[in-house]
Amino acid sequence: GEDVEQSLFLSVREGDSSVINCTYTDSSSTYLYWYKQEPGAGLQLLTYIFSNMDMKQDQRLTVLLNKKDKHLSLRIADTQSGDSAIYFCAEKGAGNMLTFGGGTRLMVKP
Amino acid sequence: DGGITQSPKYLFRKEGQNVTLSCEQNLNHDAMYWYRQDPGQGLRLIYYSQIVNDFQKGDIAEGYSVSREKKESFPLTVTSAQKNPTAFYLCASILKGHQNTEAFFGQGTRLTVV
Repeated sequence: GEDVEQSLFLSVREGDSSVINCTYTDSSSTYLYWYKQEPGAGLQLLTYIFSNMDMKQDQRLTVLLNKKDKHLSLRIADTQSGDSAIYFCAEKGAGNMLTFGGGTRLMVKP
Repeated sequence: DGGITQSPKYLFRKEGQNVTLSCEQNLNHDAMYWYRQDPGQGLRLIYYSQIVNDFQKGDIAEGYSVSREKKESFPLTVTSAQKNPTAFYLCASILKGHQNTEAFFGQGTRLTVV
């Protein structure tokens, strides 16, 4: 079946860039998403990319998609303390099914 | 304002009791989903519904039941058959067939067995 994998943890210093990586297996994915989850809350969509694109930039966020390697990354420029959260990547395959990765906990140090 | 609402935010269940978690959306979304999240874990799909009066099992449906009598509502019942129900439950909805699809999530219900 489909599988989405992420590293569990990332620690960066305030002001540095953060790069969160994700790999997926479903080659029929149409959209790929990045969600942010703050403690005790639901998931908030940060950005998404259509599968025929290879890059999307939205203010401090840059998404890179390597469809050949099935690799997705999220770069957060000038990381701030408010960026500390869990970040989930997700792929949307056939039938509107979303498959989520296990989440990457981003810790921002002063 | 349009959105997706889960209630209650916190729920306590005694051993052997059934409890029902509410999920309501006024986004006119066709598809609705229930996920379970355990501490430090990702999301696992419990049940989903693509259309009214129809629903399908996800990866961990055992011990859970759902109904979809109205487009706006997708309640989840955690039955006594679910042996380890303590978790954070998230409901989501998607507008089916729309090109710019985004899954909207509720704020979650934290269920604890006491």
